[in-house]
Amino acid sequence: EVQLVESGGNLVQPGRSLRLSCAASGFTFNDYAMHWVRQAPGKGLEWVSGITWNSGRIDYADSVKGRFTISRDNAKNSLYLQMNSLRAEDTALYYCARAPHSSVYHRADYWGQGTLVTVSS
Amino acid sequence: NFMLTQPRSVSESPGKTVTISCTRNNGNIALNYVQWYQQRPGSAPTTVIYDDNQRPSGVPDRFSGSIDSSSNSASLTISGLKTEDEADYYCQSYDTSNEVIFGGGTKLTVL
Repeated sequence: EVQLVESGGNLVQPGRSLRLSCAASGFTFNDYAMHWVRQAPGKGLEWVSGITWNSGRIDYADSVKGRFTISRDNAKNSLYLQMNSLRAEDTALYYCARAPHSSVYHRADYWGQGTLVTVSS
Repeated sequence: NFMLTQPRSVSESPGKTVTISCTRNNGNIALNYVQWYQQRPGSAPTTVIYDDNQRPSGVPDRFSGSIDSSSNSASLTISGLKTEDEADYYCQSYDTSNEVIFGGGTKLTVL
């Protein structure tokens, strides 16, 4: 059974940093590209970033470009999101999601349950 | 980049059929596949349609997807509505720079 478990969400002050993790199990992690997708309270889904199986291609939404860094450790079956210079508008539930291909992240087929990031002073 | 526009809400009675539209504002809707995700309250999204009109295993055939180039839109049709279909539905596509784009979501009420 595919499982994606996010962690690392917390209450953080504006301007500070936070690192999210996603532990994957139930599939061969290094066969798949991965995403981070977020959802602000009461709002819709917003794609944040994608990474191919070997980190050979990485893309970001304009809203986080230059502040967030996606990475993965295939030996640990883990996906990460380093978030710097956090803003109030980054407050959201952050989902880790699997793409059904290794080299493109055009869609997601499995999602975690999310980890909540709250940016507030 | 482009935007995907969905109606904010739709409602229909149990047993009826409802269609949710997703209109692309520039570029051909048929250029990049469209997906549809269902999100029930308090839950993560799940895929109900991928690659315009494909159903994942386990999704009932009451759910179908289509593309209409004349209106430059994608549609999700749910027939034989059940109360369990009440949820938010999001369309999603991607652009040539690999940016993933979601529609704003449609709240389906089954009353």
